[in-house]
Amino acid sequence: KNEVEQSPQNLTAQEGEFITINCSYSVGISALHWLQQHPGGGIVSLFMLSSGKKKHGRLIATINIQEKHSSLHITASHPRDSAVYICAVYSGNTPLVFGKGTRLSVIA
Amino acid sequence: AAGVIQSPRHLIKEKRETATLKCYPIPRHDTVYWYQQGPGQDPQFLISFYEKMQSDKGSIPDRFSAQQFSDYHSELNMSSLELGDSALYFCASSLGRYEQFFGPGTRLTVL
Repeated sequence: KNEVEQSPQNLTAQEGEFITINCSYSVGISALHWLQQHPGGGIVSLFMLSSGKKKHGRLIATINIQEKHSSLHITASHPRDSAVYICAVYSGNTPLVFGKGTRLSVIA
Repeated sequence: AAGVIQSPRHLIKEKRETATLKCYPIPRHDTVYWYQQGPGQDPQFLISFYEKMQSDKGSIPDRFSAQQFSDYHSELNMSSLELGDSALYFCASSLGRYEQFFGPGTRLTVL
């Protein structure tokens, strides 16, 4: 079992839809990253959070440390949001442990 | 704002050759991380440096070595390249163990 599990693996949405991507982890963590990777492209850090909620534009990330769960929400989705979204955690002294990613396609 | 710079962006090598990848962190960042992402795979942590000293070691093969220099840039040296080394190599930098910022990656192809 992976230490970091994401769901869904693949997601197709219509433009304008509200999107939720989930991340569950099985280890104790100090912080969690949400990352975005476009096809063949680099990785962009969207959020790092260790508690509560963060918002940036149309993106919202929440984390529940007790339940070992985080969600990434995208409001008013747009085709340019199409990418792979990766959850990654800091566990102990080990730098990021990555989930398998969620491939999002937003159709106009 | 300045971002993490990696060079080269693309590199093609033959089997058994050597390669050197470079990473220039965001100014004032003191920590550098190297990750390897194979085709269709999630990134895997290789090695990290804090204040020019190795801080953590992941799944880095013995054929690879890395160091961080006095100006905080880092180099990943890869020898005796194998076909399986073909991957996207990311560098990330941070200030201590705070948020990591990723470079655009170096795509290495071993023929």
